[in-house]
Amino acid sequence: ELKVEQNPLFLSMQEGKNYTIYCNYSTTSDRLYWYRQDPGKSLESLFVLLSNGAVKQEGRLMASLDTKARLSTLHITAAVHDLSATYFCAVFPGGGADGLTFGKGTHLIIQP
Amino acid sequence: GAGVSQTPSNKVTEKGKYVELRCDPISGHTALYWYRQSLGQGPEFLIYFQGTGAADDSGLPNDRFFAVRPEGSVSTLKIQRTERGDSAVYLCASSLMPGLADTGELFFGEGSRLTVL
Repeated sequence: ELKVEQNPLFLSMQEGKNYTIYCNYSTTSDRLYWYRQDPGKSLESLFVLLSNGAVKQEGRLMASLDTKARLSTLHITAAVHDLSATYFCAVFPGGGADGLTFGKGTHLIIQP
Repeated sequence: GAGVSQTPSNKVTEKGKYVELRCDPISGHTALYWYRQSLGQGPEFLIYFQGTGAADDSGLPNDRFFAVRPEGSVSTLKIQRTERGDSAVYLCASSLMPGLADTGELFFGEGSRLTVL
């Protein structure tokens, strides 16, 4: 059974700082997704990582995937308050299964 | 429509009652997914439709849960004999490519919050 673990689960940081969220998963997969969720809102797709070594950047967020280590990171550069949200990673299990397996999410608060 | 639409946005019911939750996916999206999200948790996969058929229902927790998509567009998640533990936000998502064969990007609706008293 595929397990997806994120850490930290809760993070409070100040504006202007850098930080990294980690996503580990337990079985082989070459497809990983990052989503953002604001309170009471839908999940917004941030990044789709489809191969080992994939790196994608959008604004102050950068995501990477290491399929050999079964690890993805979401790096935040010079955080701003608007990035406060819950961030989820999700892994495609393959092997005939079709549903993404999500981590528990990282609740990020960025204080001015 | 412009996005995935779910109704109702909120549903409060009593234990033992029957509920239906509706999902209208993005026009042209052939793949449709139902997820359940409990407080403080990530979404949990329930069922996946490709067209009209349920291609993967391995996430449905028990036989009180059932979903249909008769015309390959709108889907309805049906819960019989609701229990307090069914309280959660039920999310629907759709994607353009079948079975996550391409990038597999899912577009989520805002969810239906179900509360069972």
